[in-house]
Formats: sequence, structure tokens, C-alpha cells
Amino acid sequence: QITLKESGPTLVKPTQTLTLTCTFSGFSLSTSGVGVGWIRQPPGKALEWLALIYWNDDKRYSPSLKSRLTITKDTSKNQVVLTMTNMDPVDTATYYCAHYFIAAAGYDYWGQGTLVTVSS
Amino acid sequence: QSALTQPASVSGSPGQSITISCTGTSSDVGGYNYVSWYQQHPGKAPKLMIYEVSNRPSGVSNRFSGSKSGNTASLTISGLQAEDEADYYCSSYTSSSTRYVFGTGTKVTVL
Repeated sequence: QITLKESGPTLVKPTQTLTLTCTFSGFSLSTSGVGVGWIRQPPGKALEWLALIYWNDDKRYSPSLKSRLTITKDTSKNQVVLTMTNMDPVDTATYYCAHYFIAAAGYDYWGQGTLVTVSS
Repeated sequence: QSALTQPASVSGSPGQSITISCTGTSSDVGGYNYVSWYQQHPGKAPKLMIYEVSNRPSGVSNRFSGSKSGNTASLTISGLQAEDEADYYCSSYTSSSTRYVFGTGTKVTVL
């Protein structure tokens, strides 16, 4: 059974750096064809894809946020970490991590999400 | 990278069928059979409903079906039920460096 769970601060101040951790089980990020992505959703708004890391450490980022995002993996800990620098109130959102299956190019398992509020 | 275009809202009565469109370009929807659809109830994480244009994951009702024509993909919900009221998002593989793009989302209302 595949599960994912996001963890990190619920409140960050403007200009600070956000670090979110996705801890997963039921699969290995060293298995060919697997990835873990981050998606966010501002309150009342649409899903926004942020970043994706593949089993081979290939990384993809949203063009509009690329300069602020870094995604890394720790295969031994079954964790993926997303950092976002220079946080702004518009970055207030629920952040999800999800299991990506390359063969279907889809996110088939999602974490419950974590709400991050950016406010001074 | 531009989001795929979906209608903001679609509604229907119980038992009816509705169709949600998802329009992209030849670089995403039209170029690959890697279109997915997600259902999201309020306060919940998205759930994969359709992958590879028309395939349903195990456990998803066969009332949900997907198709594609040119640069537009569609999700059809037949025999509409109250529990289908939710937001729906399409997504596609893209040839851009990002490799992935979501749609703008559609709110389905059961009248």
C-alpha cells in the first residue's frame, strides 16, 4: 500500500525559506519509472504543479517558480524535500506531494496535504 | 507553460450525463496519450479518476470515461450522482521541459 505524508511548518514569515518533507512508504524512489512530485493549491483556487523528481534524480520545475524551488530525495529515508525561497503571502496554499507513475504520466497516490500560511 | 483550459463549471441533474472538456495544444494533449483526470472533493486531496486518456484505475466507477480528439480531451460522467459533485482537473504530459501541466479546473454541480 502506497502512502505519502507531507510535513513542515504551518506558518512562515515573508522572505523566509519554506522546507517541506514528503515521507512515503509502499514504494522505492530507486525503482525505474517512479517519481514524486509537489503540487500546491491556494485557498479556493486551482491545482498548481511545482516540481517533480524521478528515480534517476532527474528534476523538473515549474518555469514560473524555478528560481525559487529545489527538490531533492533521500532514497534511504524514503523522503523527498522541497524548498521554496523568498516566501510571499501569495504562496499561502495547501501543498501536496504525490507518487508519479511515468508509464501513465499521472499522479496515482497523493498525500493529505499541508496548509502553509505566509504571514508576518 | 500554460495551463490546460477547462470550463469553470458544469452542472447536471441526477441520472444525466455531463462532459467536461480540456483543451491544450499539440505539445501536450494533442501530442500524447497521457491525459489524466482528477476528482477533488472540498478539503480532500485529488483522486486519480482516468489515466492515459481513457483508462480507469481499479476501484473507479465505470460511470467515468475519458476520450480525446485532437487537442481536446474530455471526461464524461454518466448517471450523475450527488457524490460526483466536486472539482475536476485534467492534466497532460507535455514536451516542454517541465513535462507536466494541469488544467484550470471545473466545478461540477449536481442540481
